[in-house]
Amino acid sequence: GEDVEQSLFLSVREGDSSVINCTYTDSSSTYLYWYKQEPGAGLQLLTYIFSNMDMKQDQRLTVLLNKKDKHLSLRIADTQTGDSAIYFCAESINTGKLIFGQGTTLQVKP
Amino acid sequence: NAGVTQTPKFRILKIGQSMTLQCTQDMNHNYMYWYRQDPGMGLKLIYYSVGAGITDKGEVPNGYNVSRSTTEDFPLRLELAAPSQTSVYFCASSYEGQGTQYFGPGTRLLVL
Repeated sequence: GEDVEQSLFLSVREGDSSVINCTYTDSSSTYLYWYKQEPGAGLQLLTYIFSNMDMKQDQRLTVLLNKKDKHLSLRIADTQTGDSAIYFCAESINTGKLIFGQGTTLQVKP
Repeated sequence: NAGVTQTPKFRILKIGQSMTLQCTQDMNHNYMYWYRQDPGMGLKLIYYSVGAGITDKGEVPNGYNVSRSTTEDFPLRLELAAPSQTSVYFCASSYEGQGTQYFGPGTRLLVL
C-alpha cells in the first residue's frame, strides 16, 4: 500500500540550512507536497512539485525529487526561528487523496 | 475569502454522545476532505467528497458519517463517541482532485 516516511526530528542553528527528507512508495504519485504546521494551527501549504520535475526553487525553499529512489527533500536556506514547526511531506494519489508522512519537527536554536 | 472554516474549535464529549463537526468553504471547491491527526502522527483520511451529493470512504471511516448536500458544506458526524476518536480533525478542500488542498484550522475533540 501507499506509505510516506519521514525522520521525526531535526535541530539546526539559526542561519544554517535545514534539509528535511521524505521517502514514498507509490510510483504513480503526480504531485508531492510540503506542508508546515505551527503549534495549535492547521496545515499551511509551503510548496509542491510535479512528479516530472527534479527540482523546484521558491525563495528560501528548494525541493529536490529523485523519482527513481522515491525520495523527496526540502531545503530551507538561512533557517530562522520562525521556521520552527512540524513539516509534513505528502503524496497525491488517484482522486486527489493525500498520503501524509508522520511529520518532522524542526527546532531552530538561536 | 474566509477559506475553509471549522466549528467548534474544541469540544469535550462523553462516551456514547454524538456530535457534528462543521466545515464550510467559500472557494467554490468541488473536492472536500476530512482528516484526523493523532498525537505525533500524520493525517489520516476519514471521508472525502468529489462534489455535492457524492461521498466516499477514506482510510479510517469507521465510527463516522458524512453528507454533502451543498458545494460549500461538508459536515462530519460522530454517532457514538469513543475514546479512540480523541483527535484533532481537519477539513480541507481543493478545486480539482489533483489540486492543492487548503486546510481549515482544525477541531480538537476529547472523548472521556
